[in-house]
Amino acid sequence: KNEVEQSPQNLTAQEGEFITINCSYSVGISALHWLQQHPGGGIVSLFMLSSGKKKHGRLIATINIQEKHSSLHITASHPRDSAVYICAVSRGGSEKLVFGKGTKLTVNP
Amino acid sequence: EAGVAQSPRYKIIEKRQSVAFWCNPISGHATLYWYQQILGQGPKLLIQFQNNGVVDDSQLPKDRFSAERLKGVDSTLKIQPAKLEDSAVYLCASSYLLEQGRETQYFGPGTRLLVL
Repeated sequence: KNEVEQSPQNLTAQEGEFITINCSYSVGISALHWLQQHPGGGIVSLFMLSSGKKKHGRLIATINIQEKHSSLHITASHPRDSAVYICAVSRGGSEKLVFGKGTKLTVNP
Repeated sequence: EAGVAQSPRYKIIEKRQSVAFWCNPISGHATLYWYQQILGQGPKLLIQFQNNGVVDDSQLPKDRFSAERLKGVDSTLKIQPAKLEDSAVYLCASSYLLEQGRETQYFGPGTRLLVL
């Protein structure tokens, strides 16, 4: 079993829909990261959080430490949000990241 | 601020050949990471440097992979000899090391390797 599990693996939505991507992890962490990967490979860090909730524009990330679960929400989704969204956890010390397999999001116009 | 630079962007080689990738991190970033991302999977850490020292290379296949960061700035990752299963995107990332465990990593565009 992977230390970081994401669901769903693939998600197709219509423009304007509210989107939720889930991440569960099985180890103690110092922080959880949400990253976005566009076709072509470039990865951008969206959020790093260790408790509560963070918001940036139309993106909201939440984490429940007790339940070892995090969600990434996208409000008013747009085709340019189409990408792979990756959850990763860091376990402190060396800052080594353990990644989930990613959720491929396609937003249709 | 310039981002993490990697070259080449694409490389096609035959199995048993050698290949090298180069990474120049963001200026001032002490920590540098090399990841391997196989199609359909998340990145896997190969090696982590802090300045010119190795912090973690536990998942680096040392019989064929090597990496160095001699002056604590740019880094090279080499595969010799390459196998078919090495086909992947090789990502370089760097971080400033503000606070242990709370770092944002900045990723380069990656090098896409195809081994035939």
